[in-house]
Parts: sequence; C-alpha cells; structure tokens
Amino acid sequence: QVQLVESGGGVVQPGGSLRLSCAASGFTFSASGMHWVRQAPGKGLEWVAFIRFDGSNEYYADSVKGRFTISRDNSNNTLYFQMNSLRPEDTAVYWCARGDGYNEMGGQGTLVTVSS
Amino acid sequence: DIQMTQSPSSVAASVGDRVIITCRASQGISSWLAWYQQKPGKAPKLLIFAASILLSGVPSRFSGSGFGTDFTLTISSLQPEDFATYYCQQADSFPYTFGQGTKLEIK
Repeated sequence: QVQLVESGGGVVQPGGSLRLSCAASGFTFSASGMHWVRQAPGKGLEWVAFIRFDGSNEYYADSVKGRFTISRDNSNNTLYFQMNSLRPEDTAVYWCARGDGYNEMGGQGTLVTVSS
Repeated sequence: DIQMTQSPSSVAASVGDRVIITCRASQGISSWLAWYQQKPGKAPKLLIFAASILLSGVPSRFSGSGFGTDFTLTISSLQPEDFATYYCQQADSFPYTFGQGTKLEIK
C-alpha cells in the first residue's frame, strides 16, 4: 500500500524559507518519479514540480521556478521541497505524489501559510 | 503550456443518474490524461490514468475515454459517495496542468 507522509509546513513571513519532506513507503521509491502538487485555499489543484526516479531531471511550474527546488534521497525513501523567497500566493496545502504520467497522492498534505 | 478546460464547472445530479464530465486540451496530448476525485479536506484520489485505465480498487461505474484533445469521465450510476469535485490533468508534457475542476452536487 502506497504511503506518503508530508511534513515541514507552517507559518512563514513573506521572503522566508521552508523545507518540506515526504516520507515514502509501500512502493519502490528509487524507481518512481515524484511530484509536488499544491492547492490554495478554496482553489483548484496546481502541479508544481517533478523529479525523475534517479534525480537526473527536474521540472517546475513557472510560478515557482527559480525559488523552489525539488530533491530526493533514495537511500532514505524521502522527497524534499526547498521553498525560498516565499510569497503570500504560495499559501496552500502541499502534497507529494508518485507516478510517471499521473500523480498518485495519498498523504494528508502539509499546510504552508505565508503571511506577515 | 497546455491548457485544460473542463465542463461543466458544476453539475447537480441524483443517485442513480449517469453523469459525463468533459475535458479538452489546448493541444493534442495523446492518451496522457488522468482523472482525480477530491472530497472536502482530503487529498485528491487518482481514479483513471492514460485516459481510460482504471486504478485498482476504483469502482467499475467510473470510466474514461478520449484521445488527442477531447476526453470524458463517465459515472454510469451515481452513488452517494461520488458527490465530490473532479479534476482532469494532462501528463503529456511539463508543466503538467489540471483542469479547473467540476463540482458534482446532489440534486
């Protein structure tokens, strides 16, 4: 059974930083592409980033490019999301997801609130 | 970027009804389309990928079809637990993009 447990969210001031983590289990993490997907309060879903199974390539939404960095530790089955220069519009629930050609989410997500 | 447009934005239906939700891509995406169901306060649940492949455990009343730019999600006989918001997503090229969502409400 796929398990994805996100952590690291919280309240941060504009311009601040946060690092999200996603602990994965129940599947072969080192063989899976991984994503981050977010949802602002009352809004729709937004795909934000992807990293290939071996970390060889990364892709980002324009809204976060240059500010956020996705990375992974295959030895510890953990996905990361370093978020810098945070803006109020980054306020959202963030989920990690696995898949190539889809986003299979399963965790509760972690809430990031950017506010002064 | 590929734009995904869902219709309708909301629909009211009754238990037992057949409901069809459509999703149109701004350019061809082959079969690289997924459908998700989301209930309030919960993570989106993947229902269908590759346009028509049902994820294991998803009831057979759900089906997907389409290729290129036009896709549909059909729920053949609505059950009370199906009232939720549904999203399509293209996975043909980065950035992946979601439709704006279709809220399925009880009539």
